Amino acid sequence: NAGVTQTPKFRILKIGQSMTLQCTQDMNHNYMYWYRQDPGMGLKLIYYSVGAGITDKGEVPNGYNVSRSTTEDFPLRLELAAPSQTSVYFCASIRRATEKLFFGSGTQLSVL
Amino acid sequence: AQKITQTQPGMFVQEKEAVTLDCTYDTSDPSYGLFWYKQPSSGEMIFLIYQGSYDQQNATEGRYSLNFQKARKSANLVISASQLGDSAMYFCAMRELNTGTASKLTFGTGTRLQVTL
Repeated sequence: NAGVTQTPKFRILKIGQSMTLQCTQDMNHNYMYWYRQDPGMGLKLIYYSVGAGITDKGEVPNGYNVSRSTTEDFPLRLELAAPSQTSVYFCASIRRATEKLFFGSGTQLSVL
Repeated sequence: AQKITQTQPGMFVQEKEAVTLDCTYDTSDPSYGLFWYKQPSSGEMIFLIYQGSYDQQNATEGRYSLNFQKARKSANLVISASQLGDSAMYFCAMRELNTGTASKLTFGTGTRLQVTL
């Protein structure tokens, strides 16, 4: 099993550019999440999904969009990149509420 | 609303000594789970230990144990016999388990542990 796979690992964007962070899991997990981690800080929830076709906002959703057309994929879209979106982005998933969160390896994004 | 507090931004411990990393939480949900994750300098998130709110005994995983004091709403991580490889950022996290919360995990701000010779 590959687990949770995120691409790309690193990316530099110019202000105003758009991009999609890809996240795929092969564990048939219903719940998927996107977190961001600013330098020296904890993780903050951007968006989450409880199943295909269902998404909802977390703590810090502004400037982002998500979709969940399949159980496996949960891409995160940045429409107009801003310096405040410079962060490390983690995708994660679980099958049941009592389970640990399975994390991807993260995407380091810089907006200059 | 969920809230996790880690009051120690940084901690030092000598190799082979034990160290306690503090975590307090706030929730009105009687059913919840508490997690600890380790984040080394490489950046990945490594699951360490889990404690359910209804678990009768404190969780243990090898050198990691969780000192769960439900009435005080604290879930401190104890690392015994510290090793140089334990140097990392440590995050406490909580998930409310009742329906309607989508099993979201809320994280604290972390404690950076440095193990010295």
